[in-house]
Amino acid sequence: QQQVKQSPQSLIVQKGGISIINCAYENTAFDYFPWYQQFPGKGPALLIAIRPDVSEKKEGRFTISFNKSAKQFSLHIMDSQPGDSATYFCAASTSGSARQLTFGSGTQLTVLP
Amino acid sequence: SAVISQKPSRDICQRGTSLTIQCQVDSQVTMMFWYRQQPGQSLTLIATANQGSEATYESGFVIDKFPISRPNLTFSTLTVSNMSPEDSSIYLCSVGRIALAASTDTQYFGPGTRLTVL
Repeated sequence: QQQVKQSPQSLIVQKGGISIINCAYENTAFDYFPWYQQFPGKGPALLIAIRPDVSEKKEGRFTISFNKSAKQFSLHIMDSQPGDSATYFCAASTSGSARQLTFGSGTQLTVLP
Repeated sequence: SAVISQKPSRDICQRGTSLTIQCQVDSQVTMMFWYRQQPGQSLTLIATANQGSEATYESGFVIDKFPISRPNLTFSTLTVSNMSPEDSSIYLCSVGRIALAASTDTQYFGPGTRLTVL
């Protein structure tokens, strides 16, 4: 599996602030980039996803920014809330019959009240 | 989306024994995957469960240790064989290419099975 590098490992943000998590990839064949949110004791839940034909996708307070030339993508959480405190994983996959996901290392986000 | 259930949700097992984890989906799916997530770590793909044929294993994972069954389009099992404490982890089932879904690229995850091996 090709690597997806994620940073930072942990992030502490004040309530109402902006949380930014970054990911970089190497495999130019990746063409689907989802973000997952995981709470303790739960399975990862799909948050938002993007394809490389667009540079930005927004869903509510969550926005993915995508830079194809730099092979980077990031998650922005606007107006961060204590309920957003969770671990966030970026991932990537290639087209084809299997669509296996390659995950980043994860970012533990803590939003202080 | 798909509703995915896993059994058991957690278990504590003795070294040398085996545990079979079940994954049930409420709709027919083309792809089913098994992942391992060690405490505080990311997810690592173990194998792709192929319906009607042998599973496809990732590097570092072998069928003798992690036999997988996929008898139909809604069910799969993962067995962790001859367990050691190093197998203590969360095991997650995921599904993709859901029939009639808006996007065939999305993967959904089950709640996981937390395994502790003593």
